[in-house]
This record gives sequence, structure tokens and C-alpha cells, in this order.
Amino acid sequence: RKEVEQDPGPFNVPEGATVAFNCTYSNSASQSFFWYRQDCRKEPKLLMSVYSSGNEDGRFTAQLNRASQYISLLIRDSKLSDSATYLCVVAANSGYALNFGKGTSLLVTP
Amino acid sequence: GAGVSQSPSNKVTEKGKDVELRCDPISGHTALYWYRQSLGQGLEFLIYFQGNSAPDKSGLPSDRFSAERTGGSVSTLTIQRTQQEDSAVYLCASSLQTGVTEAFFGQGTRLTVV
Repeated sequence: RKEVEQDPGPFNVPEGATVAFNCTYSNSASQSFFWYRQDCRKEPKLLMSVYSSGNEDGRFTAQLNRASQYISLLIRDSKLSDSATYLCVVAANSGYALNFGKGTSLLVTP
Repeated sequence: GAGVSQSPSNKVTEKGKDVELRCDPISGHTALYWYRQSLGQGLEFLIYFQGNSAPDKSGLPSDRFSAERTGGSVSTLTIQRTQQEDSAVYLCASSLQTGVTEAFFGQGTRLTVV
């Protein structure tokens, strides 16, 4: 079983739509959670960290459910520029490597 | 420099040759990671270094792969006797501390083994 699993998509949505991505992780000792964004042929970049209480950054909302070992990312009012691959990232804690999911591909169309 | 620097950006090598990939992390970052990404695939963890601790080599796919980090800064990933399946983008990242803080990635080295 992969440590971090994501629906690969692709998700094709029209501009202005709301889209949600889910991610599950297998290590119950995981302590740090992130969403990264990767554009085609570019390096991954941090989109947002995910906190236990959930957190929001503009049109992006991240949620964490420790009991179900589940992380989500909600994007509201999708823009063309949101088209990218979204990577779910989990780490047990300091001293452990970041584990990346394979990513969910999003294409926002006009 | 301001970010993570990797060199070369592209490398084409013949099967069986050795290659060295270099990563220059952000100054002051104690954690350094190597990942590889094959076309259309996710990031595969290779190795990470944290300060003076022994590196976690659990992701290295074979004994042809090795890495070192000199003086807690620059890292070199070496692949001996390259094979075609080694073709991928090799990404280096650094962070202030392993796992709990943002990792910043370099632009990667695209390795092609012919």
C-alpha cells in the first residue's frame, strides 16, 4: 500500500467551478501535511500547509481528518491559472522525509 | 543564491557511464532531499540528509546510486553504470528542518540515458 494516495484525475472543470481533491495516508504517526502544486515540467512548490483545525488561503481551503487519515483541498471559483498537478505531502515528523502522493491533475477550461 | 540550484539542468549519457548530479541548497537549510520523477509519474524519494545525522538512504533503488553531502551544504548524487530506466528528472529540495517546514525545490536535472 502506498503511504500517500490520491485520485490521479484528471479533473476537468469550467472556470468558476468549485473542485475538491482528496488524499489518504497510511502512517497514523504522520504529523505534518502539505499541498504542493506542480506545473508542467516545473518543480513542485508549496501551495499551503494543512493544520489540524483546517485552514484557508483565499480561494483554497485545506482540511485534515486525523481519525480517517484523510486530507482535502477545496478550490473555489477556479481560474485558468489553477490548471496544474496538486500533490499531497505527508511527513511523520522532524527526522522523516516528505512522502509525496502521485498528484491529482486539474485542468480548468474557459 | 536565493534558491536551490541544481546542475547540470540537462544531462545525456550513454548506458553504462557514471554521472554526477549536483545540488546547492539554500544557505542555512539543514535538511536536503533527493527525489526523482519519471515522465508522468509522482515523486520517488531517494535519500535525505539532516544536519550531521546519518542520511536516510532507504529510497535508493540500487547500489549503483549513492549520495553525499559535504560540509552540510552541497550534495552530489552519483549514479554508476547508468541504465535506461534511470532516465528521469532528479529533483533536489532543502528545508530548514526535515518534515515540518516547507521544502524548496531546485529546477531539477533531466537525465537521459541512451
